[in-house]
This record gives sequence, structure tokens and C-alpha cells, in this order.
Amino acid sequence: AQTVTQSQPEMSVQEAETVTLSCTYDTSESNYYLFWYKQPPSRQMILVIRQEAYKQQNATENRFSVNFQKAAKSFSLKISDSQLGDTAMYFCAFLRGRGSGSRLTFGEGTQLTVNP
Amino acid sequence: GAGVSQSPRYKVAKRGQDVALRCDPISGHVSLFWYQQALGQGPEFLTYFQNEAQLDKSGLPSDRFFAERPEGSVSTLKIQRTQQEDSAVYLCASSLTGMNTEAFFGQGTRLTVV
Repeated sequence: AQTVTQSQPEMSVQEAETVTLSCTYDTSESNYYLFWYKQPPSRQMILVIRQEAYKQQNATENRFSVNFQKAAKSFSLKISDSQLGDTAMYFCAFLRGRGSGSRLTFGEGTQLTVNP
Repeated sequence: GAGVSQSPRYKVAKRGQDVALRCDPISGHVSLFWYQQALGQGPEFLTYFQNEAQLDKSGLPSDRFFAERPEGSVSTLKIQRTQQEDSAVYLCASSLTGMNTEAFFGQGTRLTVV
């Protein structure tokens, strides 16, 4: 079974600054995917960024980037130039790579607050 | 539709009542998932459908929970004889094939059992 751990229940950052959210995971799988989802108060999970485990290059999406350390089983999210709209709950999630219908395993979440 | 739609958005049930939660996935999406999210926690997997077939129901917490997707589109999650511990947000997600393609989530139904 897979486990995902987010050790920071809450984080805060000043607008325009950079913040990093931590995530570690445990798995015996070699083929898998990792995700960061954002959940604003509306409750809808929104995909922020995705990383395939077989890719060594860290994924980047505009102001969002990851630091994927496969050997250490670490997958942190860096948000640059933080904006007020980034305030939300952030979840790290694991997806096994083989087989259809593979379910997402989520961490406990990190509440990020961007202060003006 | 444009996105995954769930109804109702909020449901208050008296303990012991039966409830039915509806999910309308994105048109053409083969895979459909239900997750349960307790307050302050990450979502946890309940069950998975590929078209009308329920291929995995290992996450359903008890036999009071039942899900169906009879025509391979709309799905209903039913909870019988609700208990206080059933209070949570129930999220539905759909994906085009389920083979590692992006899952799109609805806004969830917040169930409160009093």
C-alpha cells in the first residue's frame, strides 16, 4: 500500500514571495505518478501539477514547480510570486502507474494562506 | 457537460435516515470514482466504476454504503441508516479512460448527520 505524508498542516506567505510545500511518500512501485491538487473553499479539487516518476526532469507549470527526489521519495511544491488567489488547501497525491482505475492516495493537506 | 456536477451540494440527514448523492460525470468519461473527505483530512477512496461495472469497492466503509452507475454515466452513492461518522464531503471524479489520465473532480456534497 502507498502512503503520502504532508508534515505541514499550515503555511503562510506574503504576497509576491515564494513558498515551498513538502510531501513525502512511500511505495514499492517503480511506475507511478505524483500530483499536487489545490482545494479552495468551493471544495473542488483542481490539478496544479503532475509528475511522472520515470521522468527525471522536474515538472513546471507557470509559477508552480516541483522538486522531485525519487530516491528520497520526496515531492515538494514551490509556488513563486504568490498571489492572494493561491490561498487554499493543497494536497499531494500518488497514483499507481499500472492498471486502469488506479485510485489516488492523498496526503493530509497543507492549508496555505497568502497574506497581502 | 462542462464539468463534473454533484447534487445536492449540502445535505443534512437525521441519524438513521437513508441518503442518495448524485454525480454527473463529464460526458464520455469512462471512469468514475467516489471519495470521502472527512473534515480537515485528505480524500479517501471509496469505489471505482469503469462504464457501468463497479470494478473496485474496497474503500466502502460498511455494507450501509452502496454505489451504482447503471447506464455508465450518472452515478449514485447511497448511504443507508446514516450515522454521525458518515458526516463528510463526498467527492466524485471522472476521467476519460482511467489509465493514468487526469481525474476531474466535482464540488462535492457535504453531508451532515445530526
